Amino acid sequence: GNSVTQMEGPVTLSEEAFLTINCTYTATGYPSLFWYVQYPGEGLQLLLKATKADDKGSNKGFEATYRKETTSFHLEKGSVQVSDSAVYFCALDDTGGFKTIFGAGTRLFVKA
Amino acid sequence: EAGVAQSPRYKIIEKRQSVAFWCNPISGHATLYWYQQILGQGPKLLIQFQNNGVVDDSQLPKDRFSAERLKGVDSTLKIQPAKLEDSAVYLCASSEDTNTEAFFGQGTRLTVV
Repeated sequence: GNSVTQMEGPVTLSEEAFLTINCTYTATGYPSLFWYVQYPGEGLQLLLKATKADDKGSNKGFEATYRKETTSFHLEKGSVQVSDSAVYFCALDDTGGFKTIFGAGTRLFVKA
Repeated sequence: EAGVAQSPRYKIIEKRQSVAFWCNPISGHATLYWYQQILGQGPKLLIQFQNNGVVDDSQLPKDRFSAERLKGVDSTLKIQPAKLEDSAVYLCASSEDTNTEAFFGQGTRLTVV
């Protein structure tokens, strides 16, 4: 069945460090891929998405490229801030809608 | 614009008791979702409504869980009787339609002791 695997956390970085959170997926067909973020005490928010191979999603300095050949959708940011501390979820949807399958989440701590 | 509202924020009950959660989606959103998020895992869809009809409840444990959206607006999720393994955060989300972005509430954290 469809699934999402992302790197285990927590990930601890210093401010202005480079961030990569790995995500790979298993799916039939051509799913849409998403990154969601959950800040402390808040609900899940859609961070970025890509709907087809080689698409790059970007938002708030974060980027992820849909790699069909490696079935990956790694999240990157060139310079993290303390305010980026949150839990990040990689997700996919292969039905054309927003009934998504989520990864387990990766907690990011950014130190000042 | 008001977001998705959920209540209560926290609930502690003993096993075999009953519990209900409430969700008020964003005004005008036709699609409503309930997710279960167990600690250390990603959210898992329990049920999806389109207006007041059920679109998908394939992962809802129907022997103990029930959900309704009678007027196509707010929704309740009930567990009766609760088990220890039901301890989780229950997330409600809504979207304008089935193929548009979903917006999530803050969730209800349930602890079953």
